[in-house]
Amino acid sequence: EAGVAQSPRYKIIEKRQSVAFWCNPISGHATLYWYQQILGQGPKLLIQFQNNGVVDDSQLPKDRFSAERLKGVDSTLKIQPAKLEDSAVYLCASSFGGARGYTFGSGTRLTVV
Amino acid sequence: SQKIEQNSEALNIQEGKTATLTCNYTNYSPAYLQWYRQDPGRGPVFLLLIRENEKEKRKERLKVTFDTTLKQSLFHITASQPADSATYLCAPQRDDYKLSFGAGTTVTVRA
Repeated sequence: EAGVAQSPRYKIIEKRQSVAFWCNPISGHATLYWYQQILGQGPKLLIQFQNNGVVDDSQLPKDRFSAERLKGVDSTLKIQPAKLEDSAVYLCASSFGGARGYTFGSGTRLTVV
Repeated sequence: SQKIEQNSEALNIQEGKTATLTCNYTNYSPAYLQWYRQDPGRGPVFLLLIRENEKEKRKERLKVTFDTTLKQSLFHITASQPADSATYLCAPQRDDYKLSFGAGTTVTVRA
């Protein structure tokens, strides 16, 4: 089966600029997650969608981050304006939900300079 | 606050030996516990899920235990191979299915 697709793989921007990441989950997976992974740390959940509705966005910095999942399939995560501390890998994952493993994409490595 | 701790030191072992990784959690009562493997520049890959009523689970050369009294999970790689070199992430999962990750333990298997 095809995996979770993410783009771009790498992005370098200056602080205060905006950036967007795209994710295409595995077909049939109702649940989609965006995680932030800072170097040397484990992934931290930013937002969880069930179909096209938000289930959990409690750790999303809503003053600068936004995400949407149109038609319950693809999703985009946006940062505007970016800060230096946003430098991290942004991982998208999907699952059938419940007590099942997640399938992760390869991530987007963001560097804010 | 919830805390997940994995072996703070990287693990270096000889090929053929067993690697044992520890995951301890506090202020937490997960109903499930997942383990993932992460290679450099890649996303985590799901390996195993164990439920709170299961003491042990095996998959090929991997074995996971889950002790809810000690609040600990152990992850074993038996007959280790250089291809097992990676970072392994512990991920307790609550009964509302929210998944959190530890920082991971890096394993290097020497030929």
